[in-house]
Amino acid sequence: QSVLTQPPSVSGAPGQRVTISCTGSSSNVGARYDVHWYQQVPGTVPKLLIYGNSNRPSGVPDRFTGSKSGTSASLAITGLQSEDEADYYCQSYDSSLRAYVFGTGTRVTVL
Amino acid sequence: QVQLVESGGGAVQPGRSLRLSCAASGFTFNSLGMHWVRQAPGKGLEWVAVVWSRGDHQEYADSLKGRFTISRDNSKNTLYLQMNSLRADDTAVYYCVKEFLAMPGTYFDYWGQGILVTVSS
Repeated sequence: QSVLTQPPSVSGAPGQRVTISCTGSSSNVGARYDVHWYQQVPGTVPKLLIYGNSNRPSGVPDRFTGSKSGTSASLAITGLQSEDEADYYCQSYDSSLRAYVFGTGTRVTVL
Repeated sequence: QVQLVESGGGAVQPGRSLRLSCAASGFTFNSLGMHWVRQAPGKGLEWVAVVWSRGDHQEYADSLKGRFTISRDNSKNTLYLQMNSLRADDTAVYYCVKEFLAMPGTYFDYWGQGILVTVSS
């Protein structure tokens, strides 16, 4: 079982804004560990989308923004586009488990 | 450019063993921890294990402790995953993953293409 909980799915029309939550606890997201986000288009390798809670790697559009507060983090996608249809995973580290942890994953559907 | 190439996957019967390898290039292999992440068919990502840069420390997902062993050979720029007593629920694509910084809580900036392990009688 993952210790980071995400909604199974979110959807929106092209151009709309969607957000994905990532809820953890005081031993992971609520601790000093950063949250990172990955995008996985079905059938492909996961790709780093956001690192260090809110930073975008080179080449990632600024439509993707990340934030963290307390024991939760969020990924927002503004100006939703068809190519944003994918699975999104948050990731952090859990000091109690001494293990890296992924979120349960969220499927984004563009209506 | 960074390249991570997994090998050693395939079909295996329950209870048997398999060793995965990952050949790394394009970065200073012996300066960073390396990870294995797996993904069962139709399921999410599951972190498996990490081995620190010098190979002197490993951490594992609780559910895998005792059956899987991660190791590395820095002279060959190669990462390994020894998987014993395999079960049907170990069926997954296994990814070799590079961490960005050698510190807990870092992120994964490069992933291999993944290799399929199928455990079935």
